[in-house]
Formats: sequence, C-alpha cells, structure tokens
Amino acid sequence: DAKTTQPPSMDCAEGRAANLPCNHSTISGNEYVYWYRQIHSQGPQYIIHGLKNNETNEMASLIITEDRKSSTLILPHATLRDTAVYYCIVRDHGSSNTGKLIFGQGTTLQVKP
Amino acid sequence: DVKVTQSSRYLVKRTGEKVFLECVQDMDHENMFWYRQDPGLGLRLIYFSYDVKMKEKGDIPEGYSVSREKKERFSLILESASTNQTSMYLCASSSPIAWNTIYFGEGSWLTVV
Repeated sequence: DAKTTQPPSMDCAEGRAANLPCNHSTISGNEYVYWYRQIHSQGPQYIIHGLKNNETNEMASLIITEDRKSSTLILPHATLRDTAVYYCIVRDHGSSNTGKLIFGQGTTLQVKP
Repeated sequence: DVKVTQSSRYLVKRTGEKVFLECVQDMDHENMFWYRQDPGLGLRLIYFSYDVKMKEKGDIPEGYSVSREKKERFSLILESASTNQTSMYLCASSSPIAWNTIYFGEGSWLTVV
C-alpha cells in the first residue's frame, strides 16, 4: 500500500471547520483513500473513504485532488469531541489485502473552546 | 451502524493464565480480525478469519490462537499469558460487499502481571 504523509498536529477552534491534509503521491489506480480517527484509549473509528470523487457523509467530507496525490478531510463544525488522532490510509479492496491496515503517525487534532 | 462489541474493556491477568477475549459483530460480516496496538509499533494483525471455522495467521500469531464457531463471534485466546502480551487488543470486521472497510471494536486493555 502507498505511504501517506500527514502533519503531526493541528489546532482548530470549536465550531469552525477542521481541514486535515494528507499526501499520498505514490497512490496507485486501484487504491482508495480511507480516513479513521482514534480517540484516546478507544478503537479506531471509520470516518469516510473515496477513490477519486469527493465524498460526504454525516461525519465529514473528503476532497481528493484530480491527480489523486493528496486529499483533505473536512470536519465542517468541529466540536471538543472531535479531538483525536486522525489517520489517512491508502489501500485497495482486494482480498489479498484483507486485514492489512497500516496506520502511520497520523495528525493529532486538538479542538479548543 | 456497524457494531463490533468486545466483551471486556479492561483485564488484569497473571502470567501463565489462559485468557479469552471475545468479540461479536452485528453486521453479518464475513471477515473478522484481531489486532494488537502498542505505542511506536502501530497496529499489528494477529489472526483473521474469512468464514466460520476458518482462520489465517496474521503478522504476529505466536502465543495466540483463535476460534470462530459462529459467523458473528471471533475469540482470541492467550494459552499462557506473558508480560509481553500486555497491550490493547482490537477486534474488527469487514465484508467484501462493503468495500472490505474495516470496522473496529472499542478495544480491550490487557495487563499481564
């Protein structure tokens, strides 16, 4: 799976949008971009994934650049409960990769009052 | 929403004890996984199962075994717990029908003394 690069930490004011960037310049054509987050002492939580089109769900939006070499996760109205480590991962859906999930260092998002 | 439930959040066991970690998922997923997560080592796959009574070794199976008698339940067994198995254990599930997106439980913190 391709490697990703994320800033180690970010701050965001409560109620404002949090924009978390991720670089994945070596992504291949069949790899999807996934985002998870992990709140302290809890299991990782799936947020969203996409291939090349922008995606939105009840938690967040995912913007993928046209060349697919980078993406941005957007939390539109951050709350204190969004404070967590956010992981950007690229992987394909093939059965040969079942279970393989490599979390990098992620971005620690601190939402401040 | 997908729900993966781990039976115990916090356990303390003695060296040499047999330990059972239970996991149940409610989404009829074919695939189930056990990981451990340690600081600086990230997420490591112990075992996974793609069907009832089927199991495959992950990256670090030594010292562990698993059981999958029913589709919704996947158990991790430490035959003789050792202090180096102190860790957070994460159960997860996925389905090829749902892009093999991996959903995690809340984690079980095991301390072996």
